[in-house]
Amino acid sequence: GQQLNQSPQSMFIQEGEDVSMNCTSSSIFNTWLWYKQDPGEGPVLLIALYKAGELTSNGRLTAQFGITRKDSFLNISASIPSDVGIYFCAGLSNQAGTALIFGKGTTLSVSS
Amino acid sequence: EAQVTQNPRYLITVTGKKLTVTCSQNMNHEYMSWYRQDPGLGLRQIYYSMNVEVTDKGDVPEGYKVSRKEKRNFPLILESPSPNQTSLYFCASSRDRWSGANVLTFGAGSRLTVL
Repeated sequence: GQQLNQSPQSMFIQEGEDVSMNCTSSSIFNTWLWYKQDPGEGPVLLIALYKAGELTSNGRLTAQFGITRKDSFLNISASIPSDVGIYFCAGLSNQAGTALIFGKGTTLSVSS
Repeated sequence: EAQVTQNPRYLITVTGKKLTVTCSQNMNHEYMSWYRQDPGLGLRQIYYSMNVEVTDKGDVPEGYKVSRKEKRNFPLILESPSPNQTSLYFCASSRDRWSGANVLTFGAGSRLTVL
């Protein structure tokens, strides 16, 4: 079945550093979503991408829908302690019978 | 406030004792889904529902049942829980499955421990 490879699995960074994470797939997706899960909470949508090549920002976060439609990237600039959490990518194809596929998540730790 | 509400948030139970985790959404969403989250495995889909009275298995349906008698509710039923069902469970909903507005809204999670 379809799978998403999300990397890195975890990151330990200093406050103020920039962060990059990505998801890749062997399948083509028509929608890419990035979620953040705070400790003890459910995932919350950060950015949604619907078009190949699309670059979208949400504050210090920027995500891109890869031109091949098989990957997506999330960048966080000037990290702060509240960026701590698990970041999930998710992809959706329009192929009948498929569901939203999630990556395994990137756990981000920020030290001040 | 638009939200997905799950109950209970925390539950400790014993093997074999039937339990139900409720899920309700107030956004008139057609699509609802249950996931479980385990360390190192991310989010895995258990069951989903495209609309009232329409449910389908996800990736890990064994040991679970669901029902969708009303649009807003999508309970997850564990008829005979076992320790390997100890996990963090999330209910989620979206307007529909295929449109550009397909953005899942998640509940806050239900942490289940089966002894």
